[in-house]
Parts: sequence; structure tokens; C-alpha cells
Amino acid sequence: NAGVTQTPKFQVLKTGQSMTLQCAQDMNHEYMSWYRQDPGMGLRLIHYSVGAGITDQGEVPNGYNVSRSTTEDFPLRLLSAAPSQTSVYFCASSAGFRSNQPQHFGDGTRLSIL
Amino acid sequence: EDKVVQSPLSLVVHEGDTVTLNCSYEVTNFRSLLWYKQEKKAPTFLFMLTSSGIEKKSGRLSSILDKKELFSILNITATQTGDSAVYLCAVEQGAQKLVFGQGTRLTINP
Repeated sequence: NAGVTQTPKFQVLKTGQSMTLQCAQDMNHEYMSWYRQDPGMGLRLIHYSVGAGITDQGEVPNGYNVSRSTTEDFPLRLLSAAPSQTSVYFCASSAGFRSNQPQHFGDGTRLSIL
Repeated sequence: EDKVVQSPLSLVVHEGDTVTLNCSYEVTNFRSLLWYKQEKKAPTFLFMLTSSGIEKKSGRLSSILDKKELFSILNITATQTGDSAVYLCAVEQGAQKLVFGQGTRLTINP
């Protein structure tokens, strides 16, 4: 049971480039989410999904797109990378609202924008 | 504005000491409060608290929630060097959105 798997682990981009951070879970979880973690600011919610085909914005959605075509995958897209998006990105999943179970996190993607 | 505040932000103690970490919150649509431990990579789940006054325990760690005063504490007794980590407090809102505090960096010296 792999849990929540994020790829890549590290990435360096130039300003203006685009890329997709991958997140996959093998627990058949309904709920998936993306957070970014910056020094001194804790984790902040970017986007989340309560099931396949359903996504919504979190606290800091600007500059990021998501889609949820399958239960297993929840990719995060940066359309035009900016230095302010340098951060560590975490994906999380849980069994859903009715389960009363906590969210479990992947190991993160460390992203640097030059 | 939804807010979760942890204190202290940093704490250094000796092995064997007991520590208390604090978390206060002002969040709409409260559903639960969670504690996570973060070492090098992913935050790992410790406790989920939904009811006031009921202590949750796991080995040397325990936590309790006060929904009237809007805070929670995480206690660690007989600390060990392996307890060194960042401890994160998060409040779960409806739709399972988590609002995190800044974290407390705990360092245990041998």
C-alpha cells in the first residue's frame, strides 16, 4: 500500500515555464487536496476535490489549476511559473467528509522558480 | 479571517523533560482539530479531536481540546531525541478544509 505518492520530489523551473505536479493515491479516497508550505506560514490550501469531477478553490488558488478525472489522481498545474510560487507542495487525501478520518500527506515536491 | 496560532514557535529542552505545545484558533464552521508531526518530509497524523475535555493518548503523547476557550494542547512526557520535529496544529472546517498554524519547532537535546 503506497499511500499518497507525489512526483517529482524536486524541480527547478524558469519564470514563465509551465509544469504539472503529480499526486496519486491507492486508498480509494474521495477527498484530495493540495497545500503549499512556506517558511513561517504553515501549510495553506490551494485547491481541493471531494470526488472525481469536482474541484474547488482553497485559500491561495491564483496561478494554479487542478482537475480530477479519476479517483486516484489529482494533478496540480502551474501555467506560468513565478518566483512567488517557490515552495514545498504537499498533496493529501482522506476517505471523505462522512468518514471522520484524518487526511494523510505525501512526501512533498520541493519547487524552485528562478 | 480564519486563524490558527501556535505557541511557542520554537522550543529547546533536554531529553526527559515534559513539554506542552499550545494551539488557539478562531475558525468558522469548526469540525475538528488535528495534530501532526513533521520531520523531514510528510506531516504524519497524531490526533484528531472533536469533543471538549476528552483527552486522547498515544504512548507519551496526549492532547485535549477546549471548544469554549478555543484552544488545544499537546503534551509530550519523558521526551526523547526522536521527538524532535515540527508539530503542526490544524483546524478542519466543513468540506474537510484544513487551516494550519505556523508550527512549533521542538528540539530535544541529549
